[in-house]
Amino acid sequence: DAKTTQPPSMDCAEGRAANLPCNHSTISGNEYVYWYRQIHSQGPQYIIHGLKNNETNEMASLIITEDRKSSTLILPHATLRDTAVYYCIVRDAKITGANSKLTFGKGITLSVRP
Amino acid sequence: DAGVTQSPTHLIKTRGQQVTLRCSPKSGHDTVSWYQQALGQGPQFIFQYYEEEERQRGNFPDRFSGHQFPNYSSELNVNALLLGDSALYLCASSEAVTHTTGELFFGEGSRLTVL
Repeated sequence: DAKTTQPPSMDCAEGRAANLPCNHSTISGNEYVYWYRQIHSQGPQYIIHGLKNNETNEMASLIITEDRKSSTLILPHATLRDTAVYYCIVRDAKITGANSKLTFGKGITLSVRP
Repeated sequence: DAGVTQSPTHLIKTRGQQVTLRCSPKSGHDTVSWYQQALGQGPQFIFQYYEEEERQRGNFPDRFSGHQFPNYSSELNVNALLLGDSALYLCASSEAVTHTTGELFFGEGSRLTVL
């Protein structure tokens, strides 16, 4: 079972920041938080991951609370192309590619409106 | 650099039939995983192959089997198809060496409809 809970949906206006919440209250010390997204009719795409520090890349920022029980994915300037299902996933840090299973929940559907 | 490629993209089968789906991993990747995604749900892990062996398996019956070839490509076989097997089947590839990103690269999927 997924170890994360996300609201089913949210929307935001184009050009505004989209803040997607995720709860992972049972996360353990050796588990990372990963975010993937799935645009309609495509395979999931990796966005970002983090352990306890905030992370930023060209796609998004990840803010993890100090107790690590929740996190927020931030898309700083949402566009219509960001409309997708976003999955928050908790995953063991001690992984190799041969042990890289992802456990997906239902995710949160982000709708970006013009 | 080709990403993960899957074939066929769409197919229709009838109950009781068998199906084979194919996947070529991203260049440089040696590990392949398969996921099943029912409509409105997140992908569910079926199994993972590395060095031509099944390394991990999710909660799927033995009707679901797979194979990995020496060139790292992989097949997913489903026997005795049920209506409930209708889904998008996703292939993901990764590198087996220990790494920090844990990133999986997914293909576009094969949409299976069972009538």
